This record gives sequence, structure tokens and C-alpha cells, in this order.
Amino acid sequence: AQSVTQLGSHVSVSEGALVLLRCNYSSSVPPYLFWYVQYPNQGLQLLLKYTTGATLVKGINGFEAEFKKSETSFHLTKPSAHMSDAAEYFCAVRNTGTASKLTFGTGTRLQVTL
Amino acid sequence: GAGVSQSPRYKVAKRGQDVALRCDPISGHVSLFWYQQALGQGPEFLTYFQNEAQLDKSGLPSDRFFAERPEGSVSTLKIQRTQQEDSAVYLCASSLAGINYGYTFGSGTRLTVV
Repeated sequence: AQSVTQLGSHVSVSEGALVLLRCNYSSSVPPYLFWYVQYPNQGLQLLLKYTTGATLVKGINGFEAEFKKSETSFHLTKPSAHMSDAAEYFCAVRNTGTASKLTFGTGTRLQVTL
Repeated sequence: GAGVSQSPRYKVAKRGQDVALRCDPISGHVSLFWYQQALGQGPEFLTYFQNEAQLDKSGLPSDRFFAERPEGSVSTLKIQRTQQEDSAVYLCASSLAGINYGYTFGSGTRLTVV
């Protein structure tokens, strides 16, 4: 079974600083990996996804993530945090078989301070 | 429609009451998923439909939970004899067929059982 682990339930950065949110996965087959963002009282919005091909994936709002098989990681980064980035971020893994469920991590709440 | 629509947005139920939560997916989206998100947690898979067929219901926590999608579009999640532990946000997501597509999530229904 596939799973993801998000290290750090809360991350606080200053506006303009680097954002790094960590995600490690466990999968016996090549995984499909996703990052979602959730603003208060809203559903989840897809930031980016890795399926096959280039291991550095660029998403919306200036975020990107790099798939590193050797480290079983898919960390999310953004060079310069903005106040509007404050939200909950979820890493998820999907089986590469027939269309199937996503398994989510427990989430990381990002706080951006002045 | 332009997005996944869920109704009601908020539902307060007395313990023991039956509730029905509605999901209207994006037109043409074959796949439909229900997730349960407890406070401070990541979404947990409940069930999956491909058109009108319920292909995976392994995440339904008990036989009090029932989902249907009779015409392959709108879906209803029904919870019978609600209990306090059912309090959560219920998220619906839809997707085109195929593993390369991400999901589009609705804003969810927040269920509070009192």
C-alpha cells in the first residue's frame, strides 16, 4: 500500500523567505505524487503533480517540487513566501494502476509572518 | 458546471438522525470520489465511482454509510443514525478517466453531529 509522511505539522516562515515543506512517500511501484493546498473552509486545490518524465515539477503560485527516487521524497518549495501562501498543504500519492484513490498525508500548516 | 458543487455547505444533525450529502461533479467527469476529513487531519478515502458503478467502497467506516450515483453524474452520500464521530468535512472530487488527471475537489460539506 502507498503512503506519504509529511514532516512538520506546522511551518512558519517570514515573508520573502524560502518555503520548504517536506514529504516522503512509501510505494512498491513508481508513484504518482501530488501536492494540494487548502484554504480555510475550502476544498483542496491542486498545486502540482508528478506522474512520469521530468522530476522537477512546476506548479501554480510559484511552487515547485522535485521527485527524488533515491530519497523517496517529493518536497515542495517556493523561493519567496507571500502572505497569501498561508494555508494547509497536503502531499498525496496515487496508485499507478487503474484510476484509484489518493492517500493523503496529515498536512502541514504554513504560517507566513511579516 | 465550472466546478464540483457540494450541498449543503453546513449541516447540523442530532445524533441518530439520517443525513444526505450531495455532490454535483464537473460535467463529463467519469470518476467521482468521496473523502472524509476530520478536524486537523488529511482527507481519508471513503468510496469511488466510475460512472454509475461503485468500484471501491473500502473506506466506508460502517454499514451506516451508503453512497450512490445512479445516473453516473450526481452522487449522494447518506449517513444513517449519525453519531458524534461522524462529525467531519465530507469532500467530493471528480476527475476525467485516466491516471494522469488530477482531481477537482468541491468545497465540502461540514457535518456536525450534536
